[in-house]
Formats: sequence, C-alpha cells, structure tokens
Amino acid sequence: DSGVTQTPKHLITATGQRVTLRCSPRSGDLSVYWYQQSLDQGLQFLIHYYNGEERAKGNILERFSAQQFPDLHSELNLSSLELGDSALYFCASSVAPSLGAEAFFGQGTRLTVV
Amino acid sequence: SQQGEEDPQALSIQEGENATMNCSYKTSINNLQWYRQNSGRGLVHLILIRSNEREKHSGRLRVTLDTSKKSSSLLITASRAADTASYFCATDLNFGNEKLTFGTGTRLTIIP
Repeated sequence: DSGVTQTPKHLITATGQRVTLRCSPRSGDLSVYWYQQSLDQGLQFLIHYYNGEERAKGNILERFSAQQFPDLHSELNLSSLELGDSALYFCASSVAPSLGAEAFFGQGTRLTVV
Repeated sequence: SQQGEEDPQALSIQEGENATMNCSYKTSINNLQWYRQNSGRGLVHLILIRSNEREKHSGRLRVTLDTSKKSSSLLITASRAADTASYFCATDLNFGNEKLTFGTGTRLTIIP
C-alpha cells in the first residue's frame, strides 16, 4: 500500500459526460501529480500541484482541469468525454516540489468511455 | 514524445536467470528512477540514481547510469516469477521542469 488513495477505482461513462477523479496523497506529501496511461500513448504527465499551486503542466487537454485543495487532496475533472479518453488515470504524491525524491502512486482509476 | 526509451520492449527469461533492461534518454537530468508496474496496477518505485552516481544496488537490483551516453540499465539478478511486470525508467529534467517523464517500458516475463 503506497498510502495514496484514488477513487473511484473504476468508472464507466458515456461520451459527452463529465467525471471527477479524486486523489488523496500520502500523509505529509505536498506534491500531487496526475498521469494518464493508455495503450497507445504510454504514461503521459498531465499536471503537478504543490501545496495548492499548479507547478507544471504536461499534455493536458483543455477539456481536463485539476485542482489541489487546502487539505491537499486533488481532483481531476474530465469533461466532454470522448472514446479516446478511456485510460488509466494515476495520481502520485511526493514530498518535494522538484523530484529528488521518489513518487508514490495510487492504484489508479480505470475510466471507460462508451 | 517520450523522454525515455526502454529496450527491449519485451523480455522473457527462465526463473533464476538475470534480466537486464536498458533506458535511453534525450536531455540532461537530475536523477533517474526505475519503477515496476504489475498488470493494470499502480507503479512502485524501485530505485533512484542521481546524475553524479554511476551505480547503485538494492537487494537483487543493480542500476547503472552513464550520463555521457544518456543511458541507464536495470539488472535483476536471480529472477523470480514475482518479478513478472512492466519496468519503466523515469527522468526529471534538470532545468527545473517539475515532472517525471516515463519511458515506454519493458514487459518482463519470468517463466517458472
């Protein structure tokens, strides 16, 4: 158990819908990272938050947004869903804003868009 | 595009043999990490090697880093069936870009 909790574990939704994925980082970790893993794109970095502030952005679509709340949990919002958004979404947490430390990954949310 | 590229993409060996995976990257880094992912599950950190280190050991794992060639290797000795997983290298770039960029992974299968 990495100490990072992601909910829900599985999500099936229709095209055009909006979903929210939730991540609770390890106790004491201020950094949260979101990644998307699909068969054809591998692990893609989406966004990084540190102590409530956005620190880095990857190839995150405009239909996607995220935030980190004062209690440090984070939410990834995916809207106007398309079939191609079906993927595993991971969050990871770390103590450091710059990664000289390991990242701890949650078990992921498997999103299926039908 | 991926910063890291693992080689080979897939590897099958007999239990007890050693497994070697390689990772190449494109730009200067602060450190390089190796992760393991069991099918459909979260990634688990294995080992971190800093840019000023050349070799690191952790149990049955040995990692080397050659910054002049922009490459790293992960050696798993005396492999076990439980080592069956995908292995990824991840780099953080040294111009302050705060993200881990993952390679494409090596799928390792240990045959009992």
